Amino acid sequence: DVKVTQSSRYLVKRTGEKVFLECVQDMDHENMFWYRQDPGLGLRLIYFSYDVKMKEKGDIPEGYSVSREKKERFSLILESASTNQTSMYLCASSFIHGLGLAGRTDTQYFGPGTRLTVL
Amino acid sequence: GENVEQHPSTLSVQEGDSAVIKCTYSDSASNYFPWYKQELGKGPQLIIDIRSNVGEKKDQRIAVTLNKTAKHFSLHITETQPEDSAVYFCAASRSYTGNQFYFGTGTSLTVIP
Repeated sequence: DVKVTQSSRYLVKRTGEKVFLECVQDMDHENMFWYRQDPGLGLRLIYFSYDVKMKEKGDIPEGYSVSREKKERFSLILESASTNQTSMYLCASSFIHGLGLAGRTDTQYFGPGTRLTVL
Repeated sequence: GENVEQHPSTLSVQEGDSAVIKCTYSDSASNYFPWYKQELGKGPQLIIDIRSNVGEKKDQRIAVTLNKTAKHFSLHITETQPEDSAVYFCAASRSYTGNQFYFGTGTSLTVIP
């Protein structure tokens, strides 16, 4: 079974703090993703990565950055947390069949989520 | 970019009845459509998916249908049980050219015993 773990289930931080959310997958997946989930808005993509040290902006990257130094680990960084970043953060990973970006991607597997509150 | 709309946002059914959730998408190049179930306090889990080369797929009490012409796809749950109560998300993706999934806004399903 694919396992995606996130470092914290609940996190409370203060405005202006630097926040690190960690995600680890154990299935050697190439792709990893960070979403935020808000009521009525569904899942919105923040950043994704299709290889080590590679990153691509999603739909809402402002205020966030990411790091992927190892294939199994993808970190989301809030450089200076603000109250409007209070949300549920979900990490996911997926596998590519075939060669490079032209290969067929498999479905995404999600971690349990981190509920972040910024005071 | 792709836009996925999902309806209804909330749905209540009696145990044993059927539930249907509908999604529409805008990008005719989308070719992969997964459905996820999210239980309280957990991350979304894949329950069924369909690719654009088929029109219907079934897995026990769950089925998904796809109408490429109309650009809509639906989730059907038959003989609902209380443990089907959860939030369901649809998504669309161009799985052959990229990795980004576009999610609907979710449907909160309540099955009343």
